[in-house]
Amino acid sequence: KNEVEQSPQNLTAQEGEFITINCSYSVGISALHWLQQHPGGGIVSLFMLSSGKKKHGRLIATINIQEKHSSLHITASHPRDSAVYICAVSFGGAQKLVFGQGTRLTINP
Amino acid sequence: DGGITQSPKYLFRKEGQNVTLSCEQNLNHDAMYWYRQDPGQGLRLIYYSQIVNDFQKGDIAEGYSVSREKKESFPLTVTSAQKNPTAFYLCASSIPPVFMGYNEQFFGPGTRLTVL
Repeated sequence: KNEVEQSPQNLTAQEGEFITINCSYSVGISALHWLQQHPGGGIVSLFMLSSGKKKHGRLIATINIQEKHSSLHITASHPRDSAVYICAVSFGGAQKLVFGQGTRLTINP
Repeated sequence: DGGITQSPKYLFRKEGQNVTLSCEQNLNHDAMYWYRQDPGQGLRLIYYSQIVNDFQKGDIAEGYSVSREKKESFPLTVTSAQKNPTAFYLCASSIPPVFMGYNEQFFGPGTRLTVL
């Protein structure tokens, strides 16, 4: 069983809609990461958080440590937000990440 | 510009041949990583290195080998022992968490390997 579960696996929405992608994990972590992978394959780190909430532009990431759950929100979605969004968790000094399967987001104009 | 480079972007090899994927970083990061990505699956760790001349097996190291002779470079060799080598390979680097508390990883653009 994957230690990191994302939902939904695929999400299609219209431009302007509010988007939520969820991530659940099964064990204690040192940090949770949200990554964005564009069709060309390159990956960009969006957020790294261990508590609370972070905001960058139209993107918001939250984490609830007690419930072992994180959400990534996109406000006023745009076609250029279309990508695969990946949740990953890191465990202490091992410096390793465990990745979710990713959520493929498509925003139609 | 600081970053991670992987070359080539696309690589084709015949079955049974070893192939080496390049990864170079000029971020002065101590730690480097190799991941494999297959359709419908999360990234899986192949090997990682926390410091020059040292590396550790990840979750799927069988059929792969690495070296870390220089801080900037962490090449991955896909050997003929790897049963299903066709995949997308990503290299990453990070400052170890001892300096940051937790590590943010920076990724290269990836190499798509196809074995014919």
